[in-house]
Amino acid sequence: SQTIHQWPATLVQPVGSPLSLECTVEGTSNPNLYWYRQAAGRGLQLLFYSVGIGQISSEVPQNLSASRPQDRQFILSSKKLLLSDSGFYLCAWRRDRNSPLHFGNGTRLTVT
Amino acid sequence: EDQVTQSPEALRLQEGESSSLNCSYTVSGLRGLFWYRQDPGKGPEFLFTLYSAGEEKEKERLKATLTKKESFLHITAPKPEDSATYLCAVQAGYYGGSQGNLIFGKGTKLSVKP
Repeated sequence: SQTIHQWPATLVQPVGSPLSLECTVEGTSNPNLYWYRQAAGRGLQLLFYSVGIGQISSEVPQNLSASRPQDRQFILSSKKLLLSDSGFYLCAWRRDRNSPLHFGNGTRLTVT
Repeated sequence: EDQVTQSPEALRLQEGESSSLNCSYTVSGLRGLFWYRQDPGKGPEFLFTLYSAGEEKEKERLKATLTKKESFLHITAPKPEDSATYLCAVQAGYYGGSQGNLIFGKGTKLSVKP
C-alpha cells in the first residue's frame, strides 16, 4: 500500500530564516505531487504541483519554491520567511490526474 | 470561473440525529467530485469520488450523492466520532495547464454531541 510522510509536524521559525519542508511517498512510482496551504476560513490553496522529477508548476506567485530531486520526494523551501508564510502546509500525491488526492498529515508553520 | 461552495459552514447535531451537508459547484465539465474528512491538525482523508449525476457511494454512516449542480453528504445516525470538517472538491473536465487540479470548498465543520 502507498503511504505519504511529511515532516516536521510543527515548526516555529523567525522572520527572515530559511525553510525546508520535506515530503516522501512510498509504495508507488512517478506519482503526481502537490503542496497546499490551508488557512483558517480560506480553504485549501494549491501552491505547487509536479508530474515528474524536475518538473515544477507554480499556481500562485509567492515567497516559496518547490523542488523534486527524486521521483517520490517533494520539498517546499523559502530563502527568507515572512510573517504571512505562517499556515498549515499539506503535501499530497495521486497516481495520475484521474485519481483522488491523498494527503500527508501536514506541517503547522508559525513564523514569529 | 470554477467554484465550489459548501453549506452550512458549521453544523451541530445530537448523536443519532441524521442530516446532510451540501456542496454546490460550477465547473466547466465535471470530471469528478471528491469528498474528504479532516480531523483537527491532520491532513484530509479521502472518502468518495463521484463521477456522474445520479451516482451514489456509501461508507458506514455516510452516503454521498451527486446531481448536475450539487452533491450531498448524508450522515445517518451520527456518532461523536463523526465529528470533523468535511471537504468537497471538484475536478474540471478540461486539463489545460492545470493538470486537472482539484478545486476545494471551505468545508463544513460537523460536531456531534453525545
